Amino acid sequence: ETGVTQTPRHLVMGMTNKKSLKCEQHLGHNAMYWYKQSAKKPLELMFVYNFKEQTENNSVPSRFSPECPNSSHLFLHLHTLQPEDSALYLCASSYSGTSTYEQYFGPGTRLTVT
Amino acid sequence: AQSVTQLGSHVSVSEGALVLLRCNYSSSVPPYLFWYVQYPNQGLQLLLKYTSAATLVKGINGFEAEFKKSETSFHLTKPSAHMSDAAEYFCAVSEREYGNKLVFGAGTILRVKS
Repeated sequence: ETGVTQTPRHLVMGMTNKKSLKCEQHLGHNAMYWYKQSAKKPLELMFVYNFKEQTENNSVPSRFSPECPNSSHLFLHLHTLQPEDSALYLCASSYSGTSTYEQYFGPGTRLTVT
Repeated sequence: AQSVTQLGSHVSVSEGALVLLRCNYSSSVPPYLFWYVQYPNQGLQLLLKYTSAATLVKGINGFEAEFKKSETSFHLTKPSAHMSDAAEYFCAVSEREYGNKLVFGAGTILRVKS
């Protein structure tokens, strides 16, 4: 595998379900991100992890719970979601440091909440 | 606070015509600027980035962008559109003191007519 991978690519879940999204990067990066992309809205940054530590939480509801066990893996645990949470969830990674580095994106997970 | 405005949510050009996608940014300090492209059902792919070296930046697929500080602009151009350029394009900004946090514009969908 190369680049940034995400599984599953598509997910349909009821509002009472619990599911997890997985992201893995094979680029040797040390920062990882979750974004939400909804129709007709700008890309929304949700969480940032640098060296496995969460450094940004953009006022995301607690029904979204991120986990970063190491610099290569990032999870987004979902529970009791709402229909408005249906969106494309994108994972990205980059180097982390005093400069600004470009982010590399995975293909996304298309989430539908019924 | 940083922000990005992309003028025109939809742009339509004929095959072989000039492509011009507009991006204006707001930043209190010298920014890093990026253009990404997103094809249907895929993640974002980096086209090019400006990091204060040359003001004219060349990217992949024949695209280039020019940083104009006086106009706070970073417009994306391509001399001759190809059918395969049809996609959604995103401009993003990061202020140096924010490190690897990007703020994205709302996106511009490019349509290429044959």
